[in-house]
Amino acid sequence: ETGVTQTPRHLVMGMTNKKSLKCEQHLGHNAMYWYKQSAKKPLELMFVYNFKEQTENNSVPSRFSPECPNSSHLFLHLHTLQPEDSALYLCASSQDTGYEQYFGPGTRLTVT
Amino acid sequence: QKEVEQNSGPLSVPEGAIASLNCTYSDRVSQSFFWYRQYSGKSPELIMSIYSNGDKEDGRFTAQLNKASQYVSLLIRDSQPSDSATYLCAAGGLYNFNKFYFGSGTKLNVKP
Repeated sequence: ETGVTQTPRHLVMGMTNKKSLKCEQHLGHNAMYWYKQSAKKPLELMFVYNFKEQTENNSVPSRFSPECPNSSHLFLHLHTLQPEDSALYLCASSQDTGYEQYFGPGTRLTVT
Repeated sequence: QKEVEQNSGPLSVPEGAIASLNCTYSDRVSQSFFWYRQYSGKSPELIMSIYSNGDKEDGRFTAQLNKASQYVSLLIRDSQPSDSATYLCAAGGLYNFNKFYFGSGTKLNVKP
């Protein structure tokens, strides 16, 4: 595997379900990010992790819970989501914060 | 003023022409700028980074940075229909290195 990978690529879940998104980077980077991109809207930065520590939470609702066990892996745990949470969820990584970011292919999430 | 601003477009150019994409930025961003290309339904792909005043060329792409006027542009020479995508301008935060600001993107249509 190279670059940034994300699984699953597509996810359909009910509002009462609990699911997790996974991201893995093979670039030796120290910073990882979660973004949300809704239809025809700009990218929204959700969380930033640098050297496994959360350094930014952009006022994200608590139904989104990130986890970063090491610099290569990032998870986004989802529970009791709303239909408006349906979006493309993108993971990115960079050498350090402020540097160019490389994106994974994204997870297309649909909440029914 | 938003940290990074772009005209949403669409910008239409004929095949073979030069496409010029522009981005303005505020005093709250760092002096590192990035251009991404995003095809519909796909994740953003880094095209170029620019850190110094002036021009930086890479193949058919030229990034231009003008710090005095606070704008950064991307020129695409010999535009091809495959260049049709949304182009995102991005910059890091000046006072908070964990911030990373994306513009809303300019949609480019290259007509055969």
